[in-house]
Amino acid sequence: DTAVSQTPKYLVTQMGNDKSIKCEQNLGHDTMYWYKQDSKKFLKIMFSYNNKELIINETVPNRFSPKSPDKAHLNLHINSLELGDSAVYFCASSQDTFLDTQYFGPGTRLTVL
Amino acid sequence: AQTVTQSQPEMSVQEAETVTLSCTYDTSESDYYLFWYKQPPSRQMILVIRQEAYKQQNATENRFSVNFQKAAKSFSLKISDSQLGDAAMYFCAYRSAIRNNDMRFGAGTRLTVKP
Repeated sequence: DTAVSQTPKYLVTQMGNDKSIKCEQNLGHDTMYWYKQDSKKFLKIMFSYNNKELIINETVPNRFSPKSPDKAHLNLHINSLELGDSAVYFCASSQDTFLDTQYFGPGTRLTVL
Repeated sequence: AQTVTQSQPEMSVQEAETVTLSCTYDTSESDYYLFWYKQPPSRQMILVIRQEAYKQQNATENRFSVNFQKAAKSFSLKISDSQLGDAAMYFCAYRSAIRNNDMRFGAGTRLTVKP
């Protein structure tokens, strides 16, 4: 059984469009995350979220917004897509905010044309 | 600022041999967590091993072990009895024990395993 899943695996879209990436975890974890991995493989955290707190990396444009319909889901919405948004986006989850290991999803490769 | 450095962009090891991947980090914090993640071609980030900074004992997970040198801010990963399935990108990561959103990754080391 997949612990952290993301859909879609691949997403190709035009500049200016709005898109969403879905993430679900079946681990019963309290905290979920979104990461961006650029073409040079650098992995940067974008958001961490639990039912109490959303923490946003200050470098993330406000075109990006996480939305959590329930504890098991954290979807990533991106408005007005730009070329520089092309990357692989990873969702992750952990039991506790500070202490626990993060488990990653398989990633979503976003290509903006 | 905390930074994580992996000085070896690529490494190669013969099957069944041992290889060590290097990682150094810079921090002013005394309490933190260190991780090694494996990213195979499937792109999934898989946790390999974790080390709490307050623990002196080096973490071990089967064929994977770390050499954690807190004073030197070094956190190397040793893979024993390398297998073909170990071929992947390996990322070293630092996570603050204080700041919730502070998790940083190194640039990665691509490990090739030769049969």
